[in-house]
Amino acid sequence: GENVEQHPSTLSVQEGDSAVIKCTYSDSASNYFPWYKQELGKGPQLIIDIRSNVGEKKDQRIAVTLNKTAKHFSLHITETQPEDSAVYFCAARPPRYSSASKIIFGSGTRLSIRP
Amino acid sequence: DVKVTQSSRYLVKRTGEKVFLECVQDMDHENMFWYRQDPGLGLRLIYFSYDVKMKEKGDIPEGYSVSREKKERFSLILESASTNQTSMYLCASRGGGSYNEQFFGPGTRLTVL
Repeated sequence: GENVEQHPSTLSVQEGDSAVIKCTYSDSASNYFPWYKQELGKGPQLIIDIRSNVGEKKDQRIAVTLNKTAKHFSLHITETQPEDSAVYFCAARPPRYSSASKIIFGSGTRLSIRP
Repeated sequence: DVKVTQSSRYLVKRTGEKVFLECVQDMDHENMFWYRQDPGLGLRLIYFSYDVKMKEKGDIPEGYSVSREKKERFSLILESASTNQTSMYLCASRGGGSYNEQFFGPGTRLTVL
């Protein structure tokens, strides 16, 4: 089955700098890659997603890139702010299931923004 | 706004007790999920349901069961709680369709003594 690996597990960056989180997946047929942000005391919330027919997607300060050949995708946060401090999860969805389909999550990255 | 609510934020139970975790969503979603979150292990799927009375095992179903008698409600049951089931439990729901967003509840932190 699909396996998603996420690195690094913790990341600390200076406010204003950029942060990059990287994930790899194993099932080349996976076609949907969402990213979730989990703030303290809350459930994860979708922040951006990308489909397999797109190489890059951007939404204000966050962007996601997908390299299907290498089977990896990355989250980029520019001009980081204190409110970006959270745990981030990447995920992949293989298509072989029904529309109920399982989303496979990475192990998470705890991002800390230093003032 | 989609709302996924969980019956308790914090729960303390004793080994051997039967534990019920309740989840309710208000957006008429077909699909509902129960995950377990542990440090360094990400979100692991316990069970999911794609319709009323339908359920499928996830990656770590051992020691758990589920019930979905109504579309909006999905319950996770620990038949006989054990200390290794101490964890954060997250419920989620998603509408039909390949690329629909999955919405999570706030989580229930369960401690089994």
